[in-house]
Amino acid sequence: QVLLVESGGNLVKPGGSLRLSCAASGFSFGNYYMSWIRQAPGKGLEWVSHISTSGKTVYYADSVKGRFTVSRDNAKSSVFLLMNNMSAGDTAIYYCARRLVGWASLDYWGLGTLVTVSS
Amino acid sequence: QSVLTQPPSTSGTPGQRVTISCSGSSSNIGTDFVYWYQQVPGAAPKLLISKNDQRPSGVPDRFSGSKSGTSASLLISGLRSEDEADYHCASWDDSLSAVVFGGGTRLTVL
Repeated sequence: QVLLVESGGNLVKPGGSLRLSCAASGFSFGNYYMSWIRQAPGKGLEWVSHISTSGKTVYYADSVKGRFTVSRDNAKSSVFLLMNNMSAGDTAIYYCARRLVGWASLDYWGLGTLVTVSS
Repeated sequence: QSVLTQPPSTSGTPGQRVTISCSGSSSNIGTDFVYWYQQVPGAAPKLLISKNDQRPSGVPDRFSGSKSGTSASLLISGLRSEDEADYHCASWDDSLSAVVFGGGTRLTVL
C-alpha cells in the first residue's frame, strides 16, 4: 500500500535551517508529482510546494519562496524540503503528499513531522 | 486569512444532512476543480471529494460534492459519529499560481 513517512522535524531557532525528508513506498514514485503542505497549530492547511516527476520544475507558495527548496531523489523514492532563514511563522506540522493530475488533488498524505521555530 | 472561505464550524445530529460551503473567486473555484479533505483530529487529511464531485475509492456515498460558479459545497447525509472532523476545501488559484485552501470547518456530531 502507499506509504509516506516524513522525518526531520525539530526545534530550531529563528534564522536557522532544517531539512525535512519524506520516504515513499508502495507506488512508482518517479511517476508522481509530490507536494509539501503545512498546518500551523490550530490553523488550516497551507500549501508549501510542488515538485515535478523529474524534479526539474518546482513551485512554491509566496510565503516560502526564496527560503525553502524542494528536491527529490527518485532512486531513493524520497522528497526533501530544505528550509532556511526560518521564522516563528514557519512553526507547523509539515505533511508530504502525493499529487495526482489536478493541482490540488492530493490523494495520499503522510502523518506529518512537527517543526517548531522558537528561541 | 484564507483565500477560500468556509464557515468555522457546523453541527448536526446522527442521521441528519449537513452542508459545508466553500466560497472563492473567478481565479480559483471559478476556473479550476474543487477538492475536499477530511481531517480527523490528530490525523493527516484524507482526500474525500475530487474534481468537484467525484468520490475516491472507499469514500461512502453519504459524501457528495457540488460546484456552481465560484462556490462549492460538501453534503454529508445520514450523519454518523465518525464523521466528526475538520473539512477543508481546496483549489488552484491562477492569479496566485498556488494551491489555496479554505480555513477548514469543524463538524461536530451532537
